[in-house]
Amino acid sequence: DTAVSQTPKYLVTQMGNDKSIKCEQNLGHDTMYWYKQDSKKFLKIMFSYNNKELIINETVPNRFSPKSPDKAHLNLHINSLELGDSAVYFCASSQDWDKGNTIYFGEGSWLTVV
Amino acid sequence: KNEVEQSPQNLTAQEGEFITINCSYSVGISALHWLQQHPGGGIVSLFMLSSGKKKHGRLIATINIQEKHSSLHITASHPRDSAVYICAAQYSGGGADGLTFGKGTHLIIQP
Repeated sequence: DTAVSQTPKYLVTQMGNDKSIKCEQNLGHDTMYWYKQDSKKFLKIMFSYNNKELIINETVPNRFSPKSPDKAHLNLHINSLELGDSAVYFCASSQDWDKGNTIYFGEGSWLTVV
Repeated sequence: KNEVEQSPQNLTAQEGEFITINCSYSVGISALHWLQQHPGGGIVSLFMLSSGKKKHGRLIATINIQEKHSSLHITASHPRDSAVYICAAQYSGGGADGLTFGKGTHLIIQP
């Protein structure tokens, strides 16, 4: 069974559209994250939720809105997509947010905005 | 600003060689992670360590807290080890920064 699963894996959409990427973890972890990997392959954290509560909100345009209906799910909704949003988005989870726990990554969602 | 520096950026070696990838970070980490990103893009967590040394198969990770430095070693390297290896620091002080990533080391092992 996949520990952290995210869908869709590939998404091609037009500028201006609104899209969502879903993430679910079946590890019983308290903390979930969204990371963005840009065209230079550099990873950067976007959001972190701990027990459904927002912990980290890096400098991300407010067109990006995370939603956590329960601690096993953290979805990423993006409004008014722009060309620069094209990237790979990784969901991840860990047991805690402030301790050194192993982080488990989803397989990534490749977003292409045209 | 918390930073993570990795070296080398690119490394090409012959099968069987001993590989070392280095990572330096700022003060006050609670843990350091080594990740592997395969050519297909998936990310796998290799190690999480806060002191000493860990070993898993042919992979060894070490950390020196005083020198703020960690290394990832691969013994008897194999072409299937070809991947991008990413060091990521988890800073203490409330974890407000989450993970800070190095830029990755692109490793190619030639048969």
